[in-house]
Amino acid sequence: GAVVSQHPSRVICKSGTSVKIECRSLDFQATTMFWYRQFPKKSLMLMATSNEGSKATYEQGVEKDKFLINHASLTLSTLTVTSAHPEDSSFYICSASRASGGTGELFFGEGSRLTVL
Amino acid sequence: GENVEQHPSTLSVQEGDSAVIKCTYSDSASNYFPWYKQELGKGPQLIIDIRSNVGEKKDQRIAVTLNKTAKHFSLHITETQPEDSAVYFCAAYSGGYQKVTFGIGTKLQVIP
Repeated sequence: GAVVSQHPSRVICKSGTSVKIECRSLDFQATTMFWYRQFPKKSLMLMATSNEGSKATYEQGVEKDKFLINHASLTLSTLTVTSAHPEDSSFYICSASRASGGTGELFFGEGSRLTVL
Repeated sequence: GENVEQHPSTLSVQEGDSAVIKCTYSDSASNYFPWYKQELGKGPQLIIDIRSNVGEKKDQRIAVTLNKTAKHFSLHITETQPEDSAVYFCAAYSGGYQKVTFGIGTKLQVIP
Protein backbone atom coordinates (compact mmCIF):
# COMPACT_ATOMS: atom_id res chain seq x y z
CA GLY A 1 0.00 0.00 0.00
CA ALA A 2 0.94 3.63 -0.27
CA VAL A 3 2.84 4.97 2.72
CA VAL A 4 3.32 8.58 3.68
CA SER A 5 5.80 9.32 6.43
CA GLN A 6 5.90 12.50 8.46
CA HIS A 7 8.75 13.66 10.65
CA PRO A 8 9.00 14.65 13.40
CA SER A 9 5.90 13.26 15.07
CA ARG A 10 6.30 15.64 17.98
CA VAL A 11 8.28 18.84 18.31
CA ILE A 12 8.52 21.41 21.04
CA CYS A 13 10.16 24.73 20.31
CA LYS A 14 10.62 28.13 21.83
CA SER A 15 8.64 31.11 20.63
CA GLY A 16 10.40 32.89 17.77
CA THR A 17 12.19 29.87 16.38
CA SER A 18 11.43 28.06 13.12
CA VAL A 19 10.38 24.46 12.80
CA LYS A 20 10.54 22.23 9.74
CA ILE A 21 8.22 19.29 9.20
CA GLU A 22 8.92 16.74 6.48
CA CYS A 23 6.42 14.71 4.50
CA ARG A 24 7.68 11.82 2.40
CA SER A 25 5.91 9.40 0.11
CA LEU A 26 7.87 6.21 0.68
CA ASP A 27 6.73 3.91 -2.09
CA PHE A 28 5.23 6.16 -4.73
CA GLN A 29 5.82 9.47 -6.43
CA ALA A 30 3.56 12.32 -5.45
CA THR A 31 3.35 15.29 -7.76
CA THR A 32 1.00 16.92 -5.29
CA MET A 33 1.00 16.95 -1.53
CA PHE A 34 -1.31 18.73 0.84
CA TRP A 35 -0.79 20.28 4.24
CA TYR A 36 -3.51 20.45 6.85
CA ARG A 37 -3.89 21.84 10.31
CA GLN A 38 -6.13 20.19 12.85
CA PHE A 39 -7.32 21.79 16.04
CA PRO A 40 -8.44 19.63 18.98
CA LYS A 41 -11.70 17.82 18.27
CA LYS A 42 -11.99 19.56 14.91
CA SER A 43 -11.79 18.52 11.30
CA LEU A 44 -8.81 18.96 9.03
CA MET A 45 -8.30 22.42 7.61
CA LEU A 46 -6.47 22.55 4.31
CA MET A 47 -3.62 25.03 4.49
CA ALA A 48 -1.93 24.66 1.14
CA THR A 49 -1.38 22.51 -1.89
CA SER A 50 2.24 21.68 -2.59
CA ASN A 51 3.21 21.05 -6.20
CA GLU A 52 6.53 19.53 -7.14
CA GLY A 53 8.77 22.07 -8.82
CA SER A 54 6.44 25.03 -8.41
CA LYS A 55 5.11 27.36 -5.78
CA ALA A 56 2.56 26.14 -3.31
CA THR A 57 -1.03 27.27 -3.49
CA TYR A 58 -2.25 28.63 -0.18
CA GLU A 59 -5.80 28.65 1.07
CA GLN A 60 -7.43 31.92 2.00
CA GLY A 61 -6.31 33.18 5.36
CA VAL A 62 -3.10 31.15 5.49
CA GLU A 63 0.03 33.28 5.65
CA LYS A 64 2.48 32.06 3.03
CA ASP A 65 5.41 33.86 4.65
CA LYS A 66 4.58 32.18 7.94
CA PHE A 67 4.11 28.69 6.60
CA LEU A 68 6.79 28.05 4.00
CA ILE A 69 6.24 25.05 1.79
CA ASN A 70 8.83 23.46 -0.43
CA HIS A 71 8.22 20.47 -2.70
CA ALA A 72 11.69 19.85 -4.03
CA SER A 73 11.21 16.30 -5.25
CA LEU A 74 8.46 13.86 -6.15
CA THR A 75 8.73 12.22 -2.74
CA LEU A 76 9.34 15.09 -0.34
CA SER A 77 7.49 18.19 0.76
CA THR A 78 8.45 20.31 3.74
CA LEU A 79 6.47 22.75 5.85
CA THR A 80 8.44 25.33 7.79
CA VAL A 81 6.66 27.27 10.48
CA THR A 82 8.68 30.45 10.72
CA SER A 83 8.99 32.56 13.87
CA ALA A 84 6.63 30.22 15.66
CA HIS A 85 4.32 31.52 18.37
CA PRO A 86 2.13 29.68 20.87
CA GLU A 87 -0.93 30.13 18.64
CA ASP A 88 0.84 28.06 15.99
CA SER A 89 0.70 25.08 18.31
CA SER A 90 -1.36 22.47 16.53
CA PHE A 91 -1.44 19.08 14.84
CA TYR A 92 -0.12 19.35 11.29
CA ILE A 93 -0.88 16.59 8.79
CA CYS A 94 0.26 16.05 5.24
CA SER A 95 -1.25 13.92 2.53
CA ALA A 96 -0.18 12.82 -0.90
CA SER A 97 -2.01 11.77 -4.00
CA ARG A 98 -0.56 8.92 -6.00
CA ALA A 99 -2.35 9.60 -9.26
CA SER A 100 -1.65 12.56 -11.48
CA GLY A 101 -4.58 14.69 -12.56
CA GLY A 102 -6.08 15.04 -9.11
CA THR A 103 -8.48 12.15 -8.88
CA GLY A 104 -6.47 9.66 -6.89
CA GLU A 105 -7.15 8.85 -3.28
CA LEU A 106 -5.20 10.62 -0.58
CA PHE A 107 -2.79 8.92 1.77
CA PHE A 108 -2.07 10.70 5.01
CA GLY A 109 1.00 10.99 7.14
CA GLU A 110 0.89 10.24 10.84
CA GLY A 111 0.81 13.91 11.74
CA SER A 112 3.19 16.20 13.61
CA ARG A 113 2.28 17.70 16.97
CA LEU A 114 3.86 21.15 17.31
CA THR A 115 4.01 22.81 20.70
CA VAL A 116 5.39 26.33 20.88
CA LEU A 117 6.37 27.47 24.34
CA GLY B 1 -17.41 25.64 -2.97
CA GLU B 2 -18.25 22.25 -1.59
CA ASN B 3 -19.90 21.97 1.82
CA VAL B 4 -19.94 18.64 3.66
CA GLU B 5 -22.10 18.10 6.70
CA GLN B 6 -21.61 15.08 8.93
CA HIS B 7 -23.67 13.70 11.79
CA PRO B 8 -23.78 12.66 14.48
CA SER B 9 -20.74 14.32 16.02
CA THR B 10 -20.55 11.63 18.68
CA LEU B 11 -21.89 8.09 18.69
CA SER B 12 -21.79 5.43 21.37
CA VAL B 13 -22.78 1.85 20.63
CA GLN B 14 -22.54 -1.44 22.44
CA GLU B 15 -20.01 -3.92 21.16
CA GLY B 16 -21.61 -6.04 18.47
CA ASP B 17 -24.16 -3.43 17.47
CA SER B 18 -24.10 -1.50 14.20
CA ALA B 19 -23.03 2.11 13.75
CA VAL B 20 -24.18 4.46 11.02
CA ILE B 21 -22.63 7.83 10.18
CA LYS B 22 -24.23 10.09 7.59
CA CYS B 23 -22.89 12.88 5.40
CA THR B 24 -24.43 15.26 2.91
CA TYR B 25 -22.65 17.29 0.27
CA SER B 26 -23.61 20.32 -1.75
CA ASP B 27 -21.63 20.18 -5.00
CA SER B 28 -23.31 17.92 -7.54
CA ALA B 29 -19.96 17.73 -9.38
CA SER B 30 -18.37 15.80 -6.52
CA ASN B 31 -17.55 12.33 -7.71
CA TYR B 32 -15.44 10.60 -5.07
CA PHE B 33 -16.36 10.02 -1.44
CA PRO B 34 -13.80 8.49 0.93
CA TRP B 35 -14.13 7.72 4.60
CA TYR B 36 -11.22 8.06 6.98
CA LYS B 37 -10.59 6.69 10.45
CA GLN B 38 -8.39 8.72 12.75
CA GLU B 39 -7.08 7.30 15.98
CA LEU B 40 -5.87 9.56 18.74
CA GLY B 41 -2.63 11.32 17.85
CA LYS B 42 -2.42 9.80 14.38
CA GLY B 43 -3.18 10.82 10.82
CA PRO B 44 -6.39 9.74 9.06
CA GLN B 45 -6.39 6.38 7.37
CA LEU B 46 -8.59 5.56 4.39
CA ILE B 47 -10.97 2.75 5.29
CA ILE B 48 -13.39 2.70 2.37
CA ASP B 49 -14.36 4.88 -0.55
CA ILE B 50 -17.03 5.08 -3.22
CA ARG B 51 -17.22 6.73 -6.60
CA SER B 52 -20.27 8.42 -8.03
CA ASN B 53 -21.02 5.67 -10.51
CA VAL B 54 -21.62 3.15 -7.70
CA GLY B 55 -24.44 3.04 -5.17
CA GLU B 56 -22.96 0.75 -2.56
CA LYS B 57 -19.63 -0.78 -1.64
CA LYS B 58 -18.81 -3.28 1.06
CA ASP B 59 -15.59 -4.46 2.66
CA GLN B 60 -16.12 -7.03 5.40
CA ARG B 61 -17.82 -5.22 8.30
CA ILE B 62 -17.73 -1.83 6.62
CA ALA B 63 -20.05 -0.57 3.91
CA VAL B 64 -20.72 2.76 2.27
CA THR B 65 -23.86 3.80 0.41
CA LEU B 66 -24.28 6.76 -1.91
CA ASN B 67 -27.45 8.51 -3.01
CA LYS B 68 -26.45 10.94 -5.73
CA THR B 69 -29.93 12.37 -6.14
CA ALA B 70 -30.20 13.28 -2.49
CA LYS B 71 -26.46 14.06 -2.26
CA HIS B 72 -25.82 12.00 0.78
CA PHE B 73 -23.63 9.06 1.65
CA SER B 74 -23.35 6.91 4.72
CA LEU B 75 -20.86 4.69 6.50
CA HIS B 76 -22.15 1.49 8.04
CA ILE B 77 -20.10 -0.56 10.49
CA THR B 78 -21.59 -3.87 11.58
CA GLU B 79 -20.60 -6.08 14.52
CA THR B 80 -18.68 -3.21 16.08
CA GLN B 81 -15.60 -3.95 18.15
CA PRO B 82 -13.76 -1.81 20.72
CA GLU B 83 -10.94 -1.24 18.23
CA ASP B 84 -13.44 0.52 15.96
CA SER B 85 -13.47 3.37 18.49
CA ALA B 86 -11.99 6.41 16.73
CA VAL B 87 -12.97 9.57 14.91
CA TYR B 88 -14.40 9.01 11.45
CA PHE B 89 -14.35 11.65 8.72
CA CYS B 90 -16.29 11.65 5.51
CA ALA B 91 -15.03 13.65 2.55
CA ALA B 92 -16.07 14.72 -0.91
CA TYR B 93 -13.90 15.43 -3.94
CA SER B 94 -15.01 17.88 -6.59
CA GLY B 95 -14.09 16.69 -10.03
CA GLY B 96 -11.05 18.17 -11.74
CA TYR B 97 -9.36 19.52 -8.63
CA GLN B 98 -7.43 17.78 -5.94
CA LYS B 99 -9.06 19.62 -3.12
CA VAL B 100 -11.09 17.46 -0.76
CA THR B 101 -13.65 18.80 1.69
CA PHE B 102 -13.94 16.97 5.00
CA GLY B 103 -16.88 16.57 7.28
CA ILE B 104 -16.47 17.68 10.86
CA GLY B 105 -15.92 14.15 12.12
CA THR B 106 -17.80 11.64 14.26
CA LYS B 107 -16.31 10.30 17.45
CA LEU B 108 -17.37 6.69 17.69
CA GLN B 109 -17.14 4.89 21.01
CA VAL B 110 -17.75 1.16 21.13
CA ILE B 111 -18.57 0.07 24.65
CA PRO B 112 -17.35 -3.44 25.54
